Amino acid sequence: EAGVAQSPRYKIIEKRQSVAFWCNPISGHATLYWYQQILGQGPKLLIQFQNNGVVDDSQLPKDRFSAERLKGVDSTLKIQPAKLEDSAVYLCASSSNQGGGKAFFGQGTRLTVV
Amino acid sequence: GNSVTQMEGPVTLSEEAFLTINCTYTATGYPSLFWYVQYPGEGLQLLLKATKADDKGSNKGFEATYRKETTSFHLEKGSVQVSDSAVYFCALTTGTGRRALTFGSGTRLQVQP
Repeated sequence: EAGVAQSPRYKIIEKRQSVAFWCNPISGHATLYWYQQILGQGPKLLIQFQNNGVVDDSQLPKDRFSAERLKGVDSTLKIQPAKLEDSAVYLCASSSNQGGGKAFFGQGTRLTVV
Repeated sequence: GNSVTQMEGPVTLSEEAFLTINCTYTATGYPSLFWYVQYPGEGLQLLLKATKADDKGSNKGFEATYRKETTSFHLEKGSVQVSDSAVYFCALTTGTGRRALTFGSGTRLQVQP
């Protein structure tokens, strides 16, 4: 079974630039999550999708972050404009409706904002 | 709201030593509890889980028991190996697993030969 795919693995940008991350979840998983993991901290939820609808985006900084999941499969997370404090690993995860909360994680995209 | 508190690391042990990583939680509703592990250079992987009080999750020699009375889910292993060196995250979800995971801050384990 293929896992959660994310790209790119690494990205370095200057502050005020924009950046986009892509995620392809496990086939058949209805729920997709984006987490932000700052160095030395646990992952923090940014947004949760159920199919192509948003379930929870209460922690998403909507003035600069946006995410979409067209057709209920792949997802893109965008930051525009980036700030220094956005430097983190961005994790995508997916789960099935029968998973009992078990989520499968991608390897993440490490973003450095300089 | 939901929150998870883990003991701070790093935890440094010699091979074959006994491991305990403490985890306590607060939750609205009845949570399911998880331990995830992040090996160097790899993504987060589920290590074990427990879904109701007094359940014991186990995997790869690791165990954790869901203690509702103390709101705890401590991770234990009787004899650690160098290959267990990783960062361990305690996490929970509520709403019958339909809500996202809430993670602790992680505990780095370093096992020396």
